[in-house]
Amino acid sequence: AQSVTQLDSQVPVFEEAPVELRCNYSSSVSVYLFWYVQYPNQGLQLLLKYLSGSTLVESINGFEAEFNKSQTSFHLRKPSVHISDTAEYFCAVSRSYNTDKLIFGTGTRLQVFP
Amino acid sequence: EAGVAQSPRYKIIEKRQSVAFWCNPISGHATLYWYQQILGQGPKLLIQFQNNGVVDDSQLPKDRFSAERLKGVDSTLKIQPAKLEDSAVYLCASGRGGKETQYFGPGTRLLVL
Repeated sequence: AQSVTQLDSQVPVFEEAPVELRCNYSSSVSVYLFWYVQYPNQGLQLLLKYLSGSTLVESINGFEAEFNKSQTSFHLRKPSVHISDTAEYFCAVSRSYNTDKLIFGTGTRLQVFP
Repeated sequence: EAGVAQSPRYKIIEKRQSVAFWCNPISGHATLYWYQQILGQGPKLLIQFQNNGVVDDSQLPKDRFSAERLKGVDSTLKIQPAKLEDSAVYLCASGRGGKETQYFGPGTRLLVL
């Protein structure tokens, strides 16, 4: 079975500072990895995903995540955050074959201060 | 294109009452998912439909929860009778299946008193 661990429940950071949200997973089979973002009073939105190929994936709003198979990690980073990045971020994993079932972590609340 | 629609957005009921949630997926999406998100936790899949057939309902508490997708389009999730621990946000998502992106609705926030 797959599982996802997001060690940081809250990450406070000042605007324009860099941020890293950590995600570790466990699985005995190949996986796909995802980061979803949930803005206040809105549904989950896909931020970025790793399916195969380059281990570094980027989103359109400046976030990036790197798939590290040896460390079973998929940490999310942004070099300079904005107030508008304040949201809940969820890491998720699915098996890379025979299912599209997503297993989510418990989420990390990113709070950006001016 | 229109996103995933859910109603109602909020619902407050007393324990042992019944409640139903409705979801209309994105047009053309064959796969529909219902998730339960308890406060402080990540979403947990309750049931997955492919068209009008159930693909996975292994985590659905079948003694009180039921769901249907009769015409392979919109879906209803019902809880009968509700318990205090059912207080959560119920999320509906749709997609084309496989490794394709799942698109989530805004959710229904349920409070059971």
